[in-house]
Amino acid sequence: AQKVTQAQTEISVVEKEDVTLDCVYETRDTTYYLFWYKQPPSGELVFLIRRNSFDEQNEISGRYSWNFQKSTSSFNFTITASQVVDSAVYFCALSEDFYGGATNKLIFGTGTLLAVQP
Amino acid sequence: EPEVTQTPSHQVTQMGQEVILRCVPISNHLYFYWYRQILGQKVEFLVSFYNNEISEKSEIFDDQFSVERPDGSNFTLKIRSTKLEDSAMYFCASRDRPNQETQYFGPGTRLLVL
Repeated sequence: AQKVTQAQTEISVVEKEDVTLDCVYETRDTTYYLFWYKQPPSGELVFLIRRNSFDEQNEISGRYSWNFQKSTSSFNFTITASQVVDSAVYFCALSEDFYGGATNKLIFGTGTLLAVQP
Repeated sequence: EPEVTQTPSHQVTQMGQEVILRCVPISNHLYFYWYRQILGQKVEFLVSFYNNEISEKSEIFDDQFSVERPDGSNFTLKIRSTKLEDSAMYFCASRDRPNQETQYFGPGTRLLVL
């Protein structure tokens, strides 16, 4: 069965601190995709990153970085030098239909609410 | 930049009434989805749609729900007889083609059933 666990319900940091959001997933498939989405207070879901199961290279985009480790089934997200605008709910998600099957539904974790205090 | 749009942004309805939530996916996208997020909870898959038919639906998507792509641009979710527990944010998403796995989400419709 597919499952995504985000054990951190809420995290509060002070601006400029680094923060890591944890994501652990379960899947029986050998090919799959992992995602992070941001949901700011306005409510929309903003795509941040996609990573496929064959690519364990870590990725950095500005202040954001992602650490994918298949050995521990984790896909963690780090924000460096956090800012107030980073305050949002962050969702990790899993998709198992690697070859573009007609379904490709996303299985979301429960989200982590990040509050960055000025 | 192309984006998914949804209307209305908010809808209030009485229990038992029918509602239709509308979505315009990104042009040329082939795969369409509806998700639901009850306030404060996670985002849940409802249904996927491809080639003018449902490809998968969750157990939430019972006989009260239906989807339709009435023309080349719109994708609708109908709830036939709303219940209090249908109150949620409903997100539409679309995806481009095989090997393009990212789903792009609309801004959502917040539905409140009284």
